[in-house]
Amino acid sequence: GENVEQHPSTLSVQEGDSAVIKCTYSDSASNYFPWYKQELGKRPQLIIDIRSNVGEKKDQRIAVTLNKTAKHFSLHITETQPEDSAVYFCAASFSSNTGKLIFGQGTTLQVKP
Amino acid sequence: NAGVTQTPKFQVLKTGQSMTLQCAQDMNHEYMSWYRQDPGMGLRLIHYSVGAGITDQGEVPNGYNVSRSTTEDFPLRLLSAAPSQTSVYFCASSGRSGSSGANVLTFGAGSRLTVL
Repeated sequence: GENVEQHPSTLSVQEGDSAVIKCTYSDSASNYFPWYKQELGKRPQLIIDIRSNVGEKKDQRIAVTLNKTAKHFSLHITETQPEDSAVYFCAASFSSNTGKLIFGQGTTLQVKP
Repeated sequence: NAGVTQTPKFQVLKTGQSMTLQCAQDMNHEYMSWYRQDPGMGLRLIHYSVGAGITDQGEVPNGYNVSRSTTEDFPLRLLSAAPSQTSVYFCASSGRSGSSGANVLTFGAGSRLTVL
């Protein structure tokens, strides 16, 4: 079945540094890869997503890269700020039309002032 | 629009009791799903529905039932609660709103369930 592995489970950086979170997926038919941010006690919210026909996508300080051959994708956050502290989840779907997502285990990011 | 509404927010059950977590969305989304969130295990898909009258199992369906009689509602039923079902439950619905044109999941606020 579909499986998504996410690393690292925890990540601590200094404010202003970059943070990278990596995910691998098992189903080569997966074609949609979103990233969600979950602040403490809140619901997950989409921060960026990418489809399999695109190798990289940027939105201000965040970017996602996709390597279909290796079946892995990464989230890059530059110039980190304390408000970036949260749990980040990657996910994969074999159909961008249904919204059925399989999530990674999550990464707790701590940005130290 | 209220988005995705879940009730109750908190619930404590005894082993063997039954209950229903309610989920309603007012965005006319076809797709709805239930996830459970446990520490270190991310969000695991329990059941999902691609439209009224259609449901299917996710990664961890055992011990849970769902039905989808209307587009708006997607209740999750625990028939005989077990301590292993202690978790935070999220309902979600999806419609086309992402910048990539894909269906984006919108989550409810979550329901924290404790089974003693």
